[in-house]
Amino acid sequence: QSILTQPPSVSGAPGQRVTISCTGSSSNIGADYDVHWYQQLPGTAPKLLIYGNSNRPSGVPDRFSGSKSGTSASLAITGLQAEDEADYYCQSYDSSLSGSGVFGGGTKLTVL
Amino acid sequence: QVQLQESGPGLVKPSETLSLTCTVSGASISNYYWSWIRQPPGKGPEFIGYIYPIGTTNYNPSLKSRVTISVDKSRNQFSLKLSSVTAADTAVYYCARLPFGGASLDYWGQGTLVTVSS
Repeated sequence: QSILTQPPSVSGAPGQRVTISCTGSSSNIGADYDVHWYQQLPGTAPKLLIYGNSNRPSGVPDRFSGSKSGTSASLAITGLQAEDEADYYCQSYDSSLSGSGVFGGGTKLTVL
Repeated sequence: QVQLQESGPGLVKPSETLSLTCTVSGASISNYYWSWIRQPPGKGPEFIGYIYPIGTTNYNPSLKSRVTISVDKSRNQFSLKLSSVTAADTAVYYCARLPFGGASLDYWGQGTLVTVSS
């Protein structure tokens, strides 16, 4: 059971918009820790997609966006492409774990 | 360009100590936080801990009694030791950089699979 809760799977057709939620609590997301998002393609290391709740590293398309509100955060992907099919993970920190980092359980995105 | 590379044995016996090293290039190890993350087969990533080279460390409470992360500034490397391993410690182990405490993991190594088996 992960500290941060994500839906196990989401799907969408090419060109559509999908969102992935990340629900935490008052000791992590709600405690003002930033939320970060990673994309993991099969057999590769996770890649930073969104940092500081809503910022994109250089090279990440603007089709990807992040937001945070209260004890939850969301990742939105617009103009879905086949290459977006991957696992997505949210990540934050938790004061009840002495500031240790925590990940969500991950969401598998399927492009139909 | 920042690059990280994990190295160490791919097979460790139960009850022994898992030891991995991460070699960093393109960045001074003294200026950032450095982390170890693991990912069991078919599961999500798990933070093991992180270190800031002036001496600050933070460990996942579930692993704290078995984990040590240390830095070798002269070699621009940092290391992980996990003692008393069991089959549950079988995972791909990644090293990664945090620009500062509480930040994202912006650069990752490619990962190394460590299997715990006799």
